[in-house]
Amino acid sequence: DQQVKQNSPSLSVQEGRISILNCDYTNSMFDYFLWYKKYPAEGPTFLISISSIKDKNEDGRFTVFLNKSAKHLSLHIVPSQPGDSAVYFCAASGRGSTLGRLYFGRGTQLTVWP
Amino acid sequence: DSGVTQTPKHLITATGQRVTLRCSPRSGDLSVYWYQQSLDQGLQFLIQYYNGEERAKGNILERFSAQQFPDLHSELNLSSLELGDSALYFCASSDLAPDTQYFGPGTRLTVL
Repeated sequence: DQQVKQNSPSLSVQEGRISILNCDYTNSMFDYFLWYKKYPAEGPTFLISISSIKDKNEDGRFTVFLNKSAKHLSLHIVPSQPGDSAVYFCAASGRGSTLGRLYFGRGTQLTVWP
Repeated sequence: DSGVTQTPKHLITATGQRVTLRCSPRSGDLSVYWYQQSLDQGLQFLIQYYNGEERAKGNILERFSAQQFPDLHSELNLSSLELGDSALYFCASSDLAPDTQYFGPGTRLTVL
């Protein structure tokens, strides 16, 4: 039962343009959401997070938007750079039985071309 | 560098064998988490320890066990290994839950 879904396995964007990665979740107990970036043969690297009390969080070129009513979040990267090419994972955590553990989507492979 | 270390980086073993994976959390982090990443299942939570005590359990097989020691490092023990146990095993640590988890570089286990 995949409680966090990333429906686009891949995304290709030109350098300098915006990259938008999407994520949907099903469990209403989730109240903390994170994005991780992963290169081959390395562990996931934390990028940015958002609490359910907010609908937007920015950190430099990265912005995460949360739409609780739609159970949807997105990561915007502006401007995209070739070094951003990696697999991006959306993850969620929350209260009760979901406390502490992260539920991950399957990831989206972002390719930024010059 | 996340500050989380894992050893070994690679492990090749045979079916039926037992292996131990080791993780050292970031300085000051009391929580340690273990995740398995396989091709068909993605990143799956296995187990969490907080300050030496088991806190949460996920999809961890009975053949697998873990512990966290007084110095806060953790070990994941995998026994009676099967071909399907071949995967990347990641350790993560955090200060408090819910909080950002920082991941180690992983151990790639290959069972032949």
